[in-house]
Amino acid sequence: SYVLTQPPSVSVAPGETARITCGGDNIVNKGVHWYQQKPGQAPVLVMYYDNYRPSGIPERFSGSNSGNTATLIISRVEAGDEAEYFCQVWDRSSDRWIFGGGTQLTVL
Amino acid sequence: EVQLVESGGGLVQPGGSLRLSCAVSGFTFSAYEINWVRQAPGKGLQWVSYISSGGDNIYYADSVRGRFTISRDNAKNSLYLQMNNVRVEDTAVYYCARDGRYRGTQPNPFDSWGQGTLVTVSS
Repeated sequence: SYVLTQPPSVSVAPGETARITCGGDNIVNKGVHWYQQKPGQAPVLVMYYDNYRPSGIPERFSGSNSGNTATLIISRVEAGDEAEYFCQVWDRSSDRWIFGGGTQLTVL
Repeated sequence: EVQLVESGGGLVQPGGSLRLSCAVSGFTFSAYEINWVRQAPGKGLQWVSYISSGGDNIYYADSVRGRFTISRDNAKNSLYLQMNNVRVEDTAVYYCARDGRYRGTQPNPFDSWGQGTLVTVSS
């Protein structure tokens, strides 16, 4: 079955740029979606189909997808961005949604 | 305002059954595909099941296929998850989540989520 691999943690100083990766076999051929989840809260969609931002998500959030790696990019990181981030794809071969294991973003 | 509210969670013994509900408001329920997603304590997200707007297309994760049944009642604006023969590893917060309908060609990412209901499987 299709597997998405994320680093467990990423740390960045305020004002810097955070890059959270999501690895998968030829992931460029899939639409990748990203969720932000803060403690005790439901996830929130922050990026869909690689690089589209839902309404209300700051322009500081962007995305890319190439080869075997998709990346969520958060520019000018703020303390409020500290959260866990999950990538997601639809696996057409098995008709299943697949989530990555999640990356904890720490703002130093 | 779009709202999804889960209920029905609680403590159940291994091998037992539980029925979760998701009541929705603020949008035309019958026009949207809906999913169940779960999250074990301290763990990541795990997709459980999907149902199309009319209920004719249904998908399950391997870990629940044959034990869980997703259904919906569009007249009651409600989604259900019947959980049978539950296992300790089914312990999790269960969320219902709406398909965002961004594109029409395949299931879409989830643009709205409920706050979840906790299911604990323990003897």
